[in-house]
This record gives sequence, structure tokens and C-alpha cells, in this order.
Amino acid sequence: EPEVTQTPSHQVTQMGQEVILRCVPISNHLYFYWYRQILGQKVEFLVSFYNNEISEKSEIFDDQFSVERPDGSNFTLKIRSTKLEDSAMYFCASSEAAGGLRMFFGPGTRLTVL
Amino acid sequence: RKEVEQDPGPFNVPEGATVAFNCTYSNSASQSFFWYRQDCRKEPKLLMSVYSSGNEDGRFTAQLNRASQYISLLIRDSKLSDSATYLCVVARRGGADGLTFGKGTHLIIQP
Repeated sequence: EPEVTQTPSHQVTQMGQEVILRCVPISNHLYFYWYRQILGQKVEFLVSFYNNEISEKSEIFDDQFSVERPDGSNFTLKIRSTKLEDSAMYFCASSEAAGGLRMFFGPGTRLTVL
Repeated sequence: RKEVEQDPGPFNVPEGATVAFNCTYSNSASQSFFWYRQDCRKEPKLLMSVYSSGNEDGRFTAQLNRASQYISLLIRDSKLSDSATYLCVVARRGGADGLTFGKGTHLIIQP
């Protein structure tokens, strides 16, 4: 069964450093997303991406964040200058249809900012 | 008011019992509704979509009440493997909007 993959599984970084989290969505999916989950908290939407541009972003997704689809398979989330409060699990997701239907999540990247 | 509210539990239920979870959502513009399951430190996994007519998938039954902005999930004949956190999820529009998650209800099935 096709699945969303993410690398790395765990990233440790110093505050102020840039990190890039990588995702390979399911190949025939058209809609891509990033979510985050701070330990013990709910899953929060960050950004959605369709047709090579951002469709929607939450208030969490400020100027420190950016997304890119550099080629036909990868989808990346960049955090330019990490803060302690960026420590969380970051989930990539993809779906073949709009409206949240049949959305599949990757296993996540655990980001720890020291 | 929180967008999606759930009782966090934990619900401790003996194996074989029936358990029901509820959730309410605040945004009347919500169009799609789901239950996801999340195991500890894992990704959310889609359990089922929820329709106004009610829908069933094996031991799981979901129901939506749009007038009351209320979603339910019923699990019959619970198994040890049903132990997880159940996330109530809504999507606002039909476009490429993200999902809005509740904080989840923690279920523990006891042998």
C-alpha cells in the first residue's frame, strides 16, 4: 500500500539554526500538507499546498516557515531560525481529493530545538 | 470556544464492551467530518469518514448531527487493540484546506 514517507525521523538542532524537513507524498496525490503536534497537545494545521502554491496557511505558519516542492516527488518544510517552541512532531500529509477526504499522514519528524 | 471539543478521558473499558465517544464542533461552515485514530507517538490514521445518514464499518459506527454540530463514534465488542486516542476531525471547506483536530479521547481497553 502506498504511504507518505518522511525524513529524518528525529532532528535535533540548536536554537536559531535552520532545519529542512522532508516528505515524499503518495505519488498520485495532488494536495500536500504540513501539521505539527506539540507533545501532549492536539494536531495543528500549518499549511496546505496545491498546484505548486500555498492554498492556505494557519497563523502558526509565519515568515520563519516556508514550503517547497523542489521536484516531482519531494515536499519540504523549512524553518529558518528555530525557536525552542518549535519543538514538536511534524507530520506531512497528502490527499488525492480536496475537502480533507482520504488524507494520509506520514510517520512524522520529531524536531527537538535545544 | 474551542473549534473541536472532545472529552479527553481516559475511558477505561473492559474488553468486549461497547463504548461511545462524542465531539462537538463550533464552525457551522464545516463540511467534512472524520474520526482518526492515533497511537502513542505515531501519526493519525483515518478510521472513518462521518456522514449525516450515519455509517458503519465493522464494529465502528459514526453519526453526524449537523443541527447540533455533534459527531459520535460507537465501538462495539471492543478489542485490546482498540486502545488508542480517537481524534474528532473536521474540514472547513471543500478546497485544499487543512483539517481541524480535536485534542482526542484516550481509550484504554482492559483485559
